[in-house]
Amino acid sequence: GAVVSQHPSRVICKSGTSVKIECRSLDFQATTMFWYRQFPKKSLMLMATSNEGSKATYEQGVEKDKFLINHASLTLSTLTVTSAHPEDSSFYICSAIGLAGDNEQFFGPGTRLTVL
Amino acid sequence: AQSVTQPDIHITVSEGASLELRCNYSYGATPYLFWYVQSPGQGLQLLLKYFSGDTLVQGIKGFEAEFKRSQSSFNLRKPSVHWSDAAEYFCAVGAGSNYQLIWGAGTKLIIKP
Repeated sequence: GAVVSQHPSRVICKSGTSVKIECRSLDFQATTMFWYRQFPKKSLMLMATSNEGSKATYEQGVEKDKFLINHASLTLSTLTVTSAHPEDSSFYICSAIGLAGDNEQFFGPGTRLTVL
Repeated sequence: AQSVTQPDIHITVSEGASLELRCNYSYGATPYLFWYVQSPGQGLQLLLKYFSGDTLVQGIKGFEAEFKRSQSSFNLRKPSVHWSDAAEYFCAVGAGSNYQLIWGAGTKLIIKP
C-alpha cells in the first residue's frame, strides 16, 4: 500500500516550453502533497506544499508563476514548469500524506527534467 | 532555527562490517524523526521513524536508530552491511502541523567488497 507514482520519469524539452509532471497516490487519498527539487549530490529542497482544493503554499524563493501547482483531487497533483530554461533542469520529487495523517510522507520515484 | 545535520558526506564500509550514520537536529519541540534511503533510480524509501515511546526504533532491512534527546541525535545503525545497502541516506525532522520535513544533506554509503 501507499504507492505514489510520477509521470513522466524523464523528460527532455526545449528552452521556453512548458512541462507538466503528474503525481498520483495510487492506493490512498492524499490530503497533502509536497513537491521537492533535488540537485545533484544535494538534499531535497521543498518547493511547495499542496492541499487538495486550495492554492499551494510556496517556499521562499520559489516562483509561483514559474512552477504552477494544481491539486485538483485527492489522488492527483501536477507541477507545471512554465517557460523552462536550462537552469530548471533537475530531479523533481513529489510526496503525499494520507488521510490517516500520521506524519509519514510517501514518495514518488521522481522525474528527471532536462531543458536544452 | 530548525535544522538537521548529517556530518558525513560519505562513508565507506566493508561488507559485513557494522555501520553508524550520524544525524543531529535542532528543533524546539519534540521532534518526529525519520531516516530515508534513496537508491539510484528509485524513490525515497522510509527505513524507520520515531514519534514517541521507546527511543530505540527498529526499521526495515535490519536497520535501527536511537533517539537521544540529550544529544539531539538520531543515529542510524546496522550490525552487518550488505552490498545492496549502498545508497544515499537522509535524516529528516518533521516540523510543524503541516507535516513538512526538514532534511539533512544526506550521507552516501559506499560498500567495499
